[in-house]
Amino acid sequence: NAGVTQTPKFQVLKTGQSMTLQCAQDMNHEYMSWYRQDPGMGLRLIHYSVGAGITDQGEVPNGYNVSRSTTEDFPLRLLSAAPSQTSVYFCASSSPFRGLETQYFGPGTRLLVL
Amino acid sequence: KNEVEQSPQNLTAQEGEFITINCSYSVGISALHWLQQHPGGGIVSLFMLSSGKKKHGRLIATINIQEKHSSLHITASHPRDSAVYICAVNFGNEKLTFGTGTRLTIIP
Repeated sequence: NAGVTQTPKFQVLKTGQSMTLQCAQDMNHEYMSWYRQDPGMGLRLIHYSVGAGITDQGEVPNGYNVSRSTTEDFPLRLLSAAPSQTSVYFCASSSPFRGLETQYFGPGTRLLVL
Repeated sequence: KNEVEQSPQNLTAQEGEFITINCSYSVGISALHWLQQHPGGGIVSLFMLSSGKKKHGRLIATINIQEKHSSLHITASHPRDSAVYICAVNFGNEKLTFGTGTRLTIIP
């Protein structure tokens, strides 16, 4: 199993540009989530999904969209990038509906918005 | 507000020392996770526990539900243990709330 994969690893955007951060998992996990990590702060939840076709907002959803058309994929879209979205983004998956289980994290995407 | 607090923020120790990192949370939880973030940035799950104690190699995690407190211990610490250790909590659902992490540095 590849686990959780994320692409790209690093991206530079100009203010106002849009892009999609890709996340995929091959463990058939129902639950997937996106977090951002900023210096001095804990990881913060952006959006999450409990299964295909179901998404919901987390703590810091503004400026981001998600969709979950398949169990495997959970892309995060930045609609109009802003410097405040400079951060490291992590995707994670787990399978809570089989009992509480380990969280699996992707390697992260480092985003710089100029 | 559901909160997670870790202490200390930074910890430097000599190789071989016994390490303790603490995590406190504000209200009842369904599970607590200890994670390790390597200097390269990757995050790995170390433990998930809802009661008692778990051990894996030199790592031990304990939780006291009544006191709303968990500890992560490292015995015979080694420079390769240098990392950021993160406590995260499920407050009754699948969403995680994270502490800000403890940066551990082990000096040879």
